[in-house]
Amino acid sequence: AQKVTQAQTEISVVEKEDVTLDCVYETRDTTYYLFWYKQPPSGELVFLIRRNSFDEQNEISGRYSWNFQKSTSSFNFTITASQVVDSAVYFCALSGGSGGSYIPTFGRGTSLIVHP
Amino acid sequence: DGGITQSPKYLFRKEGQNVTLSCEQNLNHDAMYWYRQDPGQGLRLIYYSQIVNDFQKGDIAEGYSVSREKKESFPLTVTSAQKNPTAFYLCASLTSLAGANEQFFGPGTRLTVL
Repeated sequence: AQKVTQAQTEISVVEKEDVTLDCVYETRDTTYYLFWYKQPPSGELVFLIRRNSFDEQNEISGRYSWNFQKSTSSFNFTITASQVVDSAVYFCALSGGSGGSYIPTFGRGTSLIVHP
Repeated sequence: DGGITQSPKYLFRKEGQNVTLSCEQNLNHDAMYWYRQDPGQGLRLIYYSQIVNDFQKGDIAEGYSVSREKKESFPLTVTSAQKNPTAFYLCASLTSLAGANEQFFGPGTRLTVL
């Protein structure tokens, strides 16, 4: 069975601070995919990034960066110089690559509050 | 613009009533999903459908029903058998069955039982 753990329920920072959201996963699949989604107060989840299990290269997109480490089964997300607009709930998700139904497993989410 | 629409945005229901939440997508996606979100609970899967006229129960299907008569539509009915239906409901779709693709989500429907 797959499992995604986001141990941080809520994080509160002041604007311009860096913040890292943790994601630890469990899977028996050798091929799998990891995702991060952002859910702003409006409610709609917005896709941020996808990473497959064979690509451990870290990625940077503006103030966002992702650190994928298979050795520790982690896929952490860092926001540099946080802004108030980053306030949202962030979800980490995992899907297997073994075929059949695509049923992603979501973590419980981390609520990020950025204070001005 | 392609995307997923959900209606209504807010829905109020009296106890004992059935209500239907709409989900429409114009992305030509095969798979569609319904999730329930409660505070601190993350997303819990209610039902999903991989193809027209076929759907499967998710983790919390009791008290809910769905249909998939058209590729672009996947309505969810919250029946009176659902004991605690007050929640935020999200519909999603996926282009194919391959696990490499991200889901697209609608804006959600917030259901409140009075």
